[in-house]
Formats: sequence, structure tokens, C-alpha cells
Amino acid sequence: AQTVTQSQPEMSVQEAETVTLSCTYDTSESDYYLFWYKQPPSRQMILVIRQEAYKQQNATENRFSVNFQKAAKSFSLKISDSQLGDAAMYFCAYRSSQFSDNYGQNFVFGPGTRLSVLP
Amino acid sequence: SQTIHQWPATLVQPVGSPLSLECTVEGTSNPNLYWYRQAAGRGLQLLFYSVGIGQISSEVPQNLSASRPQDRQFILSSKKLLLSDSGFYLCAWSIDSGMVQFFGPGTRLTVL
Repeated sequence: AQTVTQSQPEMSVQEAETVTLSCTYDTSESDYYLFWYKQPPSRQMILVIRQEAYKQQNATENRFSVNFQKAAKSFSLKISDSQLGDAAMYFCAYRSSQFSDNYGQNFVFGPGTRLSVLP
Repeated sequence: SQTIHQWPATLVQPVGSPLSLECTVEGTSNPNLYWYRQAAGRGLQLLFYSVGIGQISSEVPQNLSASRPQDRQFILSSKKLLLSDSGFYLCAWSIDSGMVQFFGPGTRLTVL
């Protein structure tokens, strides 16, 4: 079974600075998808960025970018020019690309990293 | 555009009482639907998922149950709540073979 690990329960960053959140995963599959979700105090889960494992190019969404290291099974999230609104829980998630009636078995979430942004 | 609704937003129930949480999706057809529970300061635990009307799969044995009476409606129920059922319940949906999940606003349940 796949597992997702986020080794940093809490992180903090100064406003306008850059922070990197770590995520590692364990899988025997070669094709899969990886995601970062943000959960602000409102508790609404928001998709931040996603990465297809077959793509070598790292995904980027505005101030958010990932460092995807497939061989190391690492998927870190970099937030540039941090803003107060970036303060939230961040969850790393894994999704197998295999088609299956058991879709629910194919999403695995990490335990989360709580990010604080200091003014 | 697609939207997902959950209600109620908050709920306080006594131990032993029944539960019914509702989730509806608009703007899409035949979505995959999911129920997650998030304990305070913890990650997401998948409870149930459904790939179609009347098709429910359970990930964790518990006193909760789920039903999908309509294509875009997903209901989480319990006949008798336990203290351990307290938490934040999130409904999610996906299409495109389930590549991305989108989440509802959640329901905060407190069992006293």
C-alpha cells in the first residue's frame, strides 16, 4: 500500500520570504499523480498544485512550485513571496493512475504541515 | 462550473442520537463521491466512497454508514453516535477517472 509522509508538523516563514514544505511517499507504481492541498482556518480544502509522475518538468502555479524527485520519491512544495493568506495546513496527496472501480483506495493523504506566516 | 454543498455546517449532538449529513454536487454528472473525517489537528481519514448510485464502499469499519440515493447526492448517517464520532467531515467529488478531488466546505460535528 502507498504511504505519504510529511516530516514537518509545523513550519513558519516571514512574510515575503520563501518556504519549502517536504513530502515523501512510498509506492511500487511507476505512474501516478501527486497533489498539494491547502486547508486555511475556514477548513475548506483547496487544490494548490498537481504533478503527473510521467512529466519531468516541475509543476508551477504562480508563487507555488514543486520539486519532484521521482527516484527519491520526494515531492516538496515551494512557496515564494509568502503572504499572510498562505497560512494554513498543507496536505500532500498521492493518487494512483490505475483505473479501478475502487477509486477511493487510490487517494492517500499525508498528515499535514501547519504553516504560519509571520508579519 | 461545478460546486459542492454540505450541510449542516456545524452540528452538536448527544451520544446515542442519530446522524444525517448531506452532500450534493452541482454542475457535473456521475461524479465519484467521498466522505472523509478529520480529527482535530490530524490528517484525512477516508470513510466511504461511491462510483455510482447505490454503490458504496467502506474503508473503515465503524458505526457510520453512507448512501447515494441520487447521482449527485451523498449522505452520511449513523443510528447511534459515539463520542469518538466527533470531528470535521468533508465530502469530496472527482471526475476524469478520479484524477483530482474537490472538497466541500465541511461539517463540524461535536458529540457530547
